[in-house]
Amino acid sequence: GAVVSQHPSWVICKSGTSVKIECRSLDFQATTMFWYRQFPKQSLMLMATSNEGSKATYEQGVEKDKFLINHASLTLSTLTVTSAHPEDSSFYICSAPGRYDSPLHFGNGTRLTVT
Amino acid sequence: EDQVTQSPEALRLQEGESSSLNCSYTVSGLRGLFWYRQDPGKGPEFLFTLYSAGEEKEKERLKATLTKKESFLHITAPKPEDSATYLCVGSSNTGKLIFGQGTTLQVKP
Repeated sequence: GAVVSQHPSWVICKSGTSVKIECRSLDFQATTMFWYRQFPKQSLMLMATSNEGSKATYEQGVEKDKFLINHASLTLSTLTVTSAHPEDSSFYICSAPGRYDSPLHFGNGTRLTVT
Repeated sequence: EDQVTQSPEALRLQEGESSSLNCSYTVSGLRGLFWYRQDPGKGPEFLFTLYSAGEEKEKERLKATLTKKESFLHITAPKPEDSATYLCVGSSNTGKLIFGQGTTLQVKP
């Protein structure tokens, strides 16, 4: 079964509003979680690493003030897209370091559409 | 620069027509090579981990192999439900994950 839960699975919002996406690790603690963005027919692009109890680490070119990350507890990380614009429309996926043999367990993604 | 390149970008097969997906990599001190399956609108689902050249892993109709430069995902007698995008991911000696672009497989009945 799923070990990482991501919510919502899809969201439509208007330009200028903010949207929060939640990522939860189920039945295990994750001090680190990762946020990816995926464009159609492209692979995953790492946006930032979320660290429980400290600031997130952002990849080069990712706007910290636009994509706010909060690792509130050992099982929850949130990504808030602030003042969303149509170009922020994308598929956002979170992941947590793997258990057993997988390096990462992924959430099911969130399809964000900004109108 | 660490890189993972998958080919082909897209592959169409008839049901039962076996084939292979290729993943070429140049990754510093490869720690592991991973295969994931991604269905449309979903997150990637773990398939295999390979650690050293010569290693093979199997699961149902899929078999993953690893050499010093490439990994192959062999699909034997595929079924329509095998249709998905298959991602190859390399892990470097620093723990960084390098994603391939994926191969989108379509299996027609």
